[in-house]
Amino acid sequence: DQQVKQNSPSLSVQEGRISILNCDYTNSMFDYFLWYKKYPAEGPTFLISISSIKDKNEDGRFTVFLNKSAKHLSLHIVPSQPGDSAVYFCAAREGYGGSQGNLIFGKGTKLSVKP
Amino acid sequence: DAGVTQSPTHLIKTRGQQVTLRCSPISGHKSVSWYQQVLGQGPQFIFQYYEKEERGRGNFPDRFSARQFPNYSSELNVNALLLGDSALYLCASSFQGGSGNTIYFGEGSWLTVV
Repeated sequence: DQQVKQNSPSLSVQEGRISILNCDYTNSMFDYFLWYKKYPAEGPTFLISISSIKDKNEDGRFTVFLNKSAKHLSLHIVPSQPGDSAVYFCAAREGYGGSQGNLIFGKGTKLSVKP
Repeated sequence: DAGVTQSPTHLIKTRGQQVTLRCSPISGHKSVSWYQQVLGQGPQFIFQYYEKEERGRGNFPDRFSARQFPNYSSELNVNALLLGDSALYLCASSFQGGSGNTIYFGEGSWLTVV
């Protein structure tokens, strides 16, 4: 059973508009959430993260929102640029007990930003 | 500063063979994790090592093993390769194994089993 779900396999957005990527999780013991961007034939690149005790974290064009009651987080990219076109992975980190620090990934959402 | 480095970048092996993949973490990072990514899926956790000790193991068979060396580099070994082991193998490093530190990935090693 998937603990981290990205229900949209793809998203297409016009350049300059907002991209919103969504992620749902089931395990309330996750203590940290991270977003990664991945180009074909490359490793995932870290974008932004948020602790489970926060509800928002912002870094430049990227903002992550966390709604713990809904077990939902989202990544907002404003404004979207063609170079943002990639696969975006949501990942949740298991806290203490069990595997410390390993990440559980969603299946990814392919973002296409059209000029 | 060098990021996480992995070798080899690509390799082809035959069913039943054994493979060793190598990883050097970011300087100063003491935790190394290994992930497997097959096409269309997110990376799946295989192992985590911190200060040369195994700290976590994912749901992979005993054919998969790993170790971490005193300089914090790591090797992933896979024995008796199966066609289904064909995947991108990612190494990730972080400063500390279990507390709020960002985890950085290398470029990966593409393994094809024929």
